[in-house]
Amino acid sequence: AQTVTQSQPEMSVQEAETVTLSCTYDTSESDYYLFWYKQPPSRQMILVIRQEAYKQQNATENRFSVNFQKAAKSFSLKISDSQLGDAAMYFCAYRSASNNNDMRFGAGTRLTVKP
Amino acid sequence: ETGVTQTPRHLVMGMTNKKSLKCEQHLGHNAMYWYKQSAKKPLELMFVYSLEERVENNSVPSRFSPECPNSSHLFLHLHTLQPEDSALYLCASSQDRATDTQYFGPGTRLTVL
Repeated sequence: AQTVTQSQPEMSVQEAETVTLSCTYDTSESDYYLFWYKQPPSRQMILVIRQEAYKQQNATENRFSVNFQKAAKSFSLKISDSQLGDAAMYFCAYRSASNNNDMRFGAGTRLTVKP
Repeated sequence: ETGVTQTPRHLVMGMTNKKSLKCEQHLGHNAMYWYKQSAKKPLELMFVYSLEERVENNSVPSRFSPECPNSSHLFLHLHTLQPEDSALYLCASSQDRATDTQYFGPGTRLTVL
């Protein structure tokens, strides 16, 4: 079974600094998708960034970038120049490319941004 | 605003009640999903619904039943729930089942007394 592990229940970062959230996953498949979702206190889950497993290049979205290590099954999120609005729960997620109903999430990391 | 709305935002019900959660998406998507989010646990995918078929997670108790009358609306009918069913229920949609990116609603906070 595919599992997604976020080993950091809570993280904090100083405003304008950089923070990295870790995520590992377990799969026997070679093709899949990985995501980072953000859930602010208002609760609406928002997609931050996504990565296709067949792409070697790490995805980037403005201040957000990932370090995708396929062999190690690692998918960390780096947030640069952290802003107060980045404070939220961050969820790592896995979706199988062959089984459309196989969507799994990690338990989340609560990020606090200190002014 | 992601184009997915859910009502009610909060619901308190007794174990003998029957209630329904509603989700509506304004994105023109063809697939919709129900998730359960409990404290300190990963999101659990409950149901996947599309024009073609409904796929159930086998571990979902029968006291939860989804209904998808059209591609824009999704309901979750609740009956004889247990206190452990208290959670945040999230609806999501995607262009189709094969599309990787899902868009989430704000959720319904359900409390079962």
